[in-house]
Amino acid sequence: DIQMTQSPSSLSASVGDRVTITCRATQGVSNSLAWYQQKPGKVPKLLIYAASTLQSGVPSRFSGSGSGTDFTLTISSLQPEDVATYYCQKYNNDPLTFGGGTKVEIK
Amino acid sequence: EVQLLESGGGLVQPGGSLRLSCVASGFTFSNYDMSWVRQAPGKGLEWVSGISSTGGSTFYADSVKGRFTISRDKSKNTLYLQMNSLRAEDTAKYYCAKEYHYGSGSYYNEWGQGTLVTVSS
Repeated sequence: DIQMTQSPSSLSASVGDRVTITCRATQGVSNSLAWYQQKPGKVPKLLIYAASTLQSGVPSRFSGSGSGTDFTLTISSLQPEDVATYYCQKYNNDPLTFGGGTKVEIK
Repeated sequence: EVQLLESGGGLVQPGGSLRLSCVASGFTFSNYDMSWVRQAPGKGLEWVSGISSTGGSTFYADSVKGRFTISRDKSKNTLYLQMNSLRAEDTAKYYCAKEYHYGSGSYYNEWGQGTLVTVSS
């Protein structure tokens, strides 16, 4: 099975900073990669699908890139409401494996 | 508005059984593949099981294969997860998730609020 590894596992940044989270697959998944945001105590929310397509209603400061095995989620200007754990997920085939998550905090 | 409402969680002893339900509304349930995803306390997300829109195909994580059974009832717009031979490591919040087919696969565009399963003596 394909494994998904995210880095870093946690980060602390200042409001307005550019934040980058990476996700690496052990085999190529084409662009079948989604990113989810889970705020503390809340349900996961879809941010990005097809590696770079923003889900409707998601702020434009979020962006995704990559294909194959290496992917990136970028928050161009970190806001207090972005405090959350972010998960990547590959969905090209079963099992629909998630990455281990990246916890984002405000410095 | 899409709604996914899980129920059936609770406290169960190791070796016991539980059946989770997820009632769907706001979309044509029979048109969509569905999944169960779990999250142990303080841990990440883990895909557990998936079922095709017709119910004809089912998929399981290795960690639950042979113990859990996913099913659906289109007349009741309900997704189920029968969990047998429960272990302490199955303790988690279980989410029902609606799949959206795109390209070569499906991602989750809607999630329920989850139901908590605790396996403990």
